[in-house]
Amino acid sequence: AQTVTQSQPEMSVQEAETVTLSCTYDTSESNYYLFWYKQPPSRQMILVIRQEAYKQQNATENRFSVNFQKAAKSFSLKISDSQLGDTAMYFCAFINNAGNMLTFGGGTRLMVKP
Amino acid sequence: GAVVSQHPSWVICKSGTSVKIECRSLDFQATTMFWYRQFPKQSLMLMATSNEGSKATYEQGVEKDKFLINHASLTLSTLTVTSAHPEDSSFYICSAPLSGRPDNEQFFGPGTRLTVL
Repeated sequence: AQTVTQSQPEMSVQEAETVTLSCTYDTSESNYYLFWYKQPPSRQMILVIRQEAYKQQNATENRFSVNFQKAAKSFSLKISDSQLGDTAMYFCAFINNAGNMLTFGGGTRLMVKP
Repeated sequence: GAVVSQHPSWVICKSGTSVKIECRSLDFQATTMFWYRQFPKQSLMLMATSNEGSKATYEQGVEKDKFLINHASLTLSTLTVTSAHPEDSSFYICSAPLSGRPDNEQFFGPGTRLTVL
């Protein structure tokens, strides 16, 4: 079974600064996908970024980028130029290549301060 | 992108009554849908996998007789909380994967807040 761990329950960052959210996972699979989801106060889950395990290049989406370390089973999210609208819960999630069931981490609550 | 809706968005009911929550994929077909439960400040916990044309698969510890799931069509799954009690109060979220995508990206509904008095 896969497990996903987010070791930072809460974090805060000043507006315009950079913050990194940590995520580690455990799996015996060789190919899989990793995701970061954002859940703002509205509670709608929004996909932020995805990474395929076979791709060595770290995924980037505008201000969001990941540091994917496959050997270490680490998948951190970096948010650059933080904005007030980035305030939300962030969930790291795993899905293997064969299935379609997501495994979520416990979440990190991010507060962006003005 | 694909859109998933849920109805109602918020429901308040008396203890002992049953509540039905609908999850619809609006612009794509979903043979599988997932139901999650989320307590305040916690992560999403998978309750069950809804399968069109067959029985739902429940996660360990989830009472199938209490949380009835029916996948009536390729665009609709319903979750019925039977004989609801205050401890069933929670936020319920459904999701559906978009078939044909290698990463099985899931699209989430906006959630339903259930309050049982």
